[in-house]
Parts: sequence; C-alpha cells; structure tokens
Amino acid sequence: SQQGEEDPQALSIQEGENATMNCSYKTSINNLQWYRQNSGRGLVHLILIRSNEREKHSGRLRVTLDTSKKSSSLLITASRAADTASYFCATDSTNDYKLSFGAGTTVTVRA
Amino acid sequence: NAGVTQTPKFQVLKTGQSMTLQCAQDMNHNSMYWYRQDPGMGLRLIYYSASEGTTDKGEVPNGYNVSRLNKREFSLRLESAAPSQTSVYFCATRPTQVGELFFGEGSRLTVL
Repeated sequence: SQQGEEDPQALSIQEGENATMNCSYKTSINNLQWYRQNSGRGLVHLILIRSNEREKHSGRLRVTLDTSKKSSSLLITASRAADTASYFCATDSTNDYKLSFGAGTTVTVRA
Repeated sequence: NAGVTQTPKFQVLKTGQSMTLQCAQDMNHNSMYWYRQDPGMGLRLIYYSASEGTTDKGEVPNGYNVSRLNKREFSLRLESAAPSQTSVYFCATRPTQVGELFFGEGSRLTVL
C-alpha cells in the first residue's frame, strides 16, 4: 500500500490565488518531498523537508511538516497558469531506501 | 547533459510478448528506481537498485525482472506481458539512498 495520501484529489483556483494541498503518511520518515508533474512529463522535484524541520520555503512554495500528526502541507502562493500540474508528496522511510509516493493532487489554475 | 534517458518512449505489445525497458543516467548516481504510474494511483515502486550490483523488490514486482548492468544502466524486463501491465513506466535516480529523485520522461506501454 502507498505511504502517502494527498488531499484534495483535485483543486481548481483562479490565477493569483493560493493553493494548499495536504499529505498524510503512515510510518516514520527521514524526509518528505514534494514533486510536480506536468501533463505527459516526468516528475520534477520541488522541495525536501527533513524530519527535524517544521517549515521550509522555496520561492512561492511553503512546506510544513508535523511529524506528530504524520502530515505535511504544500502552499503555492500567487498561483500562475504555469502552476497547473499534478503535485505528489513522497516519503523516505527510516525502515528502507524506498521513496513512496501518494496518489497526487491535480491543480488547475484558471486565467 | 542528458540526465536520465528512457527507451523506448512508446511501445505496443501483444499479450505474452516480452520486452525490455532501458534506462541510462549520466549523473554518476548510485541509486536507480523503476516506478509505474496508473491513473489515480500515483507512482508505485516496482524494483530498485540501491547501488551497483544490488537490486531489491518494491511494492509491485510481480511480472517484472531487472538488471543493474553497470552504474549507468538499469533495465526492466517484462517476460510475458499482460494487459494489467499497461502503464507509464518511469526510471529515476539519486546520488545516494536518501534524497531527491531525478526522473526520466517515461515510457508508455500498452499491452493488447
């Protein structure tokens, strides 16, 4: 079974608005990562947050991690049409060397 | 600098046929992975190779075999393809066993 689960499955917002998506996971982790996938393309790494970190920023991205709740959130501020994509969380478990992905959140940014 | 290269990009097979998906990386990474992506299910790990000379099963290994030919190349073989193996396959690499993954552009396989 998959380690991470994203919520919501799909999100539609207006350009300029913020987009927030959440990820929950099951086991102890070394780090949690977020990836973006444009239609028909491979995944691209966005940001990595370690288990001892609570918040991380990269440009318009803000990621939080709550290890006590086994959850993370990704916030995209001031969204643009180019942010239209699927977003996946992935976890590096402390038990093995497998990076496990969730099912993803599909974000549509309307112009 | 090509990064992670997958071949072929598209393939149509008949049930029972065999084929090999190739993955090559020029990033000098130790760890390589094969995932499959199906609609609504995210990515599921098939096999991975933590370092040259080692391979391990992932979440969905049945019906597949792998070979870590050398540090650069990691191939995925379907010995007898089934319609359930229709999917998009992604190869990915990373420098060590923990951290950011670098993905290829995917191989789209249809089994009739």
